[in-house]
Amino acid sequence: AQSVSQHNHHVILSEAASLELGCNYSYGGTVNLFWYVQYPGQHLQLLLKYFSGDPLVKGIKGFEAEFIKSKFSFNLRKPSVQWSDTAEYFCAVNAGGGYQKVTFGIGTKLQVIP
Amino acid sequence: KAGVTQTPRYLIKTRGQQVTLSCSPISGHRSVSWYQQTPGQGLQFLFEYFSETQRNKGNFPGRFSGRQFSNSRSEMNVSTLELGDSALYLCASSLTGVGNTEAFFGQGTRLTVV
Repeated sequence: AQSVSQHNHHVILSEAASLELGCNYSYGGTVNLFWYVQYPGQHLQLLLKYFSGDPLVKGIKGFEAEFIKSKFSFNLRKPSVQWSDTAEYFCAVNAGGGYQKVTFGIGTKLQVIP
Repeated sequence: KAGVTQTPRYLIKTRGQQVTLSCSPISGHRSVSWYQQTPGQGLQFLFEYFSETQRNKGNFPGRFSGRQFSNSRSEMNVSTLELGDSALYLCASSLTGVGNTEAFFGQGTRLTVV
């Protein structure tokens, strides 16, 4: 069965620091990849997604992620975080590239200190 | 357009009781997926319905069931509640399936079993 690993469960950064959240998955075939974000008190929302094409994907609010097939990774990055980026971030993977379910990682809580 | 609506927002039930949760997807979306979110486990997939048919199912016991109506609204039922069922239950609405289109999540129903 496919699995998704998010290595950092809790990250604390100061404003303007750079962010990289790791995500690895275990599936050797075609994948669709997602990052979702849950701001405090709000619902989960899509940050960015990769289906095919350029492995460097840009999302909302200055976030980007890079798909590295050889490493089974889809790490999320942001050059300079803001206090408003405080949230929980979830990596999700669909194995097969179809409509089937996505498997979510356990989530990473990011706390940005002003 | 209106988002995904889940009702009720909060529920407190006693062990052994049953509960029904409701989800109204975004208009035009035919896929509804249900997830259980807990602090230690992240989001665990329950099942997905598409055009009134269960299309995918996760690894939950048969006490967890669901259905979808012709207007795409979905209900989830949990019978013989256990303490471990306490969680946030999330509904995700998408056009064709969360695996290959963006999922829009509701605010969730917080279920507490005492």
